Amino acid sequence: AQSVTQLDSQVPVFEEAPVELRCNYSSSVSVYLFWYVQYPNQGLQLLLKYLSGSTLVESINGFEAEFNKSQTSFHLRKPSVHISDTAEYFCAVSDRGSGNQFYFGTGTSLTVIP
Amino acid sequence: NAGVTQTPKFQVLKTGQSMTLQCAQDMNHNSMYWYRQDPGMGLRLIYYSASEGTTDKGEVPNGYNVSRLNKREFSLRLESAAPSQTSVYFCAGDWGQGYEQYFGPGTRLTVT
Repeated sequence: AQSVTQLDSQVPVFEEAPVELRCNYSSSVSVYLFWYVQYPNQGLQLLLKYLSGSTLVESINGFEAEFNKSQTSFHLRKPSVHISDTAEYFCAVSDRGSGNQFYFGTGTSLTVIP
Repeated sequence: NAGVTQTPKFQVLKTGQSMTLQCAQDMNHNSMYWYRQDPGMGLRLIYYSASEGTTDKGEVPNGYNVSRLNKREFSLRLESAAPSQTSVYFCAGDWGQGYEQYFGPGTRLTVT
């Protein structure tokens, strides 16, 4: 079974500063990778995903993540954060070798400070 | 399209009471899931249904039962609620190919 590790439970960052949210998973054999965002009192929304092809994927609101197979990582980055980026971020892995089962990390709470 | 919907949004139960959380989707998902979300623990899978007519246990199934009523609907039942079941419950669905899951807005349940 996969395990997904988000080492940072809370990340405070000043507005317009860069941010990186880290995600590591246990096995890179045949996986799809996702970042979800959860705003307060809402459900999870897909932010971006890696299925195949280019290892760098981007979202419409300026986030990007890079699939690194050798390091089994899928870190999320944004060069300049806004107040509206304050939310909980979850990394997820779909393990195609185990019936496409999803595994979620424990989440990183990003707080953007004015 | 409504996507994935859940009812109710909030619920307060006393210990020992029963209730059913409802989930419906209009996205033609083959697979549906029930998760619970607790602080610091992320999402934990309770039960899932890979296809209509099948259900399987996830990571934390004790104290819960599910029914895949048809392709659209997947309900979660608490037969005898306990304070440890205080949580936020999310329903999700996908097409069963390992691509993204689509989540409902959640049900916030408090058991006193």
